[in-house]
Amino acid sequence: KNEVEQSPQNLTAQEGEFITINCSYSVGISALHWLQQHPGGGIVSLFMLSSGKKKHGRLIATINIQEKHSSLHITASHPRDSAVYICAVGGGANSKLTFGKGITLSVRP
Amino acid sequence: GAGVSQSPSNKVTEKGKDVELRCDPISGHTALYWYRQRLGQGLEFLIYFQGNSAPDKSGLPSDRFSAERTGESVSTLTIQRTQQEDSAVYLCASSSQADNTGELFFGEGSRLTVL
Repeated sequence: KNEVEQSPQNLTAQEGEFITINCSYSVGISALHWLQQHPGGGIVSLFMLSSGKKKHGRLIATINIQEKHSSLHITASHPRDSAVYICAVGGGANSKLTFGKGITLSVRP
Repeated sequence: GAGVSQSPSNKVTEKGKDVELRCDPISGHTALYWYRQRLGQGLEFLIYFQGNSAPDKSGLPSDRFSAERTGESVSTLTIQRTQQEDSAVYLCASSSQADNTGELFFGEGSRLTVL
């Protein structure tokens, strides 16, 4: 069973700050997903990573397969980035995703 | 449809009644997940369907919960003899890839309240 740990559990930042959210997992995977859940519940997919780094707008996601660790970075943070950020990992064909508990980010204006 | 569709969006029921929740995934998506999210809590895995493989039911909390999916189409999650602790938002997600490398698409969820 893969254990997914996210840190920090809660995070408060000032608008404009650079933010890093971490995800560690215990068993080798084929893919790692970063998801965003806004107040009100809707969940959207931000990134799927199997190696390296991806960038979309102000968001950057990296993964280190050897260290079993991924980070989600938010540059020039904005109050609209306030949400729960969830990491999920998948072990390969026909295996379910394992989700972390999520990190609640609050960006103050 | 363009996205994952779930119905009903809200359901209020009395303790002991049966409820059925429906998920219509994106056409062609072979993988379908059901999750539960209690108020203020994280996502709790319930069941995973992948094509014609046997579903992974390891997350179902009790035998009152069951789910079906025919082929790669609609899935229904049934909760029998509902209890107050079943109150939660039930989320469905689908993906196009069997190996979890496809983007996940979530429905808006079905909010279940058991009185």
